[in-house]
Amino acid sequence: GQQVMQIPQYQHVQEGEDFTTYCNSSTTLSNIQWYKQRPGGHPVFLIQLVKSGEVKKQKRLTFQFGEAKKNSSLHITATQTTDVGTYFCAGRGGTSYGKLTFGQGTILTVHP
Amino acid sequence: SAVISQKPSRDICQRGTSLTIQCQVDSQVTMMFWYRQQPGQSLTLIATANQGSEATYESGFVIDKFPISRPNLTFSTLTVSNMSPEDSSIYLCSGGSPNTEAFFGQGTRLTVV
Repeated sequence: GQQVMQIPQYQHVQEGEDFTTYCNSSTTLSNIQWYKQRPGGHPVFLIQLVKSGEVKKQKRLTFQFGEAKKNSSLHITATQTTDVGTYFCAGRGGTSYGKLTFGQGTILTVHP
Repeated sequence: SAVISQKPSRDICQRGTSLTIQCQVDSQVTMMFWYRQQPGQSLTLIATANQGSEATYESGFVIDKFPISRPNLTFSTLTVSNMSPEDSSIYLCSGGSPNTEAFFGQGTRLTVV
């Protein structure tokens, strides 16, 4: 079945440094979504990417979807302590009808 | 965006007993799903809750252990049956449409002793 691999598993940064997490799917995706989960909280939707090569920005966050629609990345510029949490990518395949396959997540720690 | 109310938020249960978790959505959603998440780990899909019919379970999950109901487009329950300590986890429900974002309940932290 479809698998979504996400790296790194952990990332520790100093406040102000940049951060990137990467996802790679074993199959071509119809779309990919990104979620943030704060410690003790539930996943919260950040963005959805649909088109090949798509790039979207939300303030300091930049999301990319690969040309082959099999990989994606999330880049945070100048991290802040409020960015702490786990970032998950989640992909939908062509035949999954709404089911999301989550990556393993990247746990981000930001040191002030 | 939809809001999903999930309860209980946490529970401590004796092994061999069952716990039913409820999720109520404030608007009709096409799809509802149930996930399990170990602390610090990713989300594992248990099943898709189908309105008015039997749920569709993922590999490794069976109806006898995790019976699911979805009587309408805004409500679903997951029962964790005959619990053992290995069932201790966070259980999450989510809802949405096939090509849009998923909304999650707040989660149920289950501890089986």
